Amino acid sequence: DQQVKQNSPSLSVQEGRISILNCDYTNSMFDYFLWYKKYPAEGPTFLISISSIKDKNEDGRFTVFLNKSAKHLSLHIVPSQPGDSAVYFCAASAGYALNFGKGTSLLVTP
Amino acid sequence: DARVTQTPRHKVTEMGQEVTMRCQPILGHNTVFWYRQTMMQGLELLAYFRNRAPLDDSGMPKDRFSAEMPDATLATLKIQPSEPRDSAVYFCASVGDTFELYFGPGTRLTVT
Repeated sequence: DQQVKQNSPSLSVQEGRISILNCDYTNSMFDYFLWYKKYPAEGPTFLISISSIKDKNEDGRFTVFLNKSAKHLSLHIVPSQPGDSAVYFCAASAGYALNFGKGTSLLVTP
Repeated sequence: DARVTQTPRHKVTEMGQEVTMRCQPILGHNTVFWYRQTMMQGLELLAYFRNRAPLDDSGMPKDRFSAEMPDATLATLKIQPSEPRDSAVYFCASVGDTFELYFGPGTRLTVT
């Protein structure tokens, strides 16, 4: 039973525009949320996180928004760059282990 | 530059053979995870250890998978006997005092 869902398997965005990646979760006990980025043949790398006590966290071009009532979070990348092309995983935690979504493959075209 | 290392990076084996994957977590990290990535399921948690003690292995098929941490610098994941449906990329990750998991590069397993 997938507790973290990324319903868009892929997304294509033009360079310079905003990329918005979405994630939904079902477990109300989740209190910490993270986004990971993965390039081919590499392990996922941490990108940005947010605690359930916040609704927004920003780090450079990356912003994560959390809507607890809707059990929804999103990652905004602006402006998008070709180097951002990767698979993005949403993850949530209620303790030690992270529950991951299936990922969204982002392609940023020049 | 502290990193999680995994060996082998690639493994091709025949059905029924034993497979052992190894992981060296980042020095000082006390929690180690094993995840499996497949197209259908994404990243699935198989097992994790804290201070070398297994905390949860409910994601693992118990009849054929086993995970151990013989010392603080080595975690192993063993499959015996392997089956074609075990073909996937297996990731090890470690974490210290935060929620940020640091992943290894993965072992790509192909069982024919």
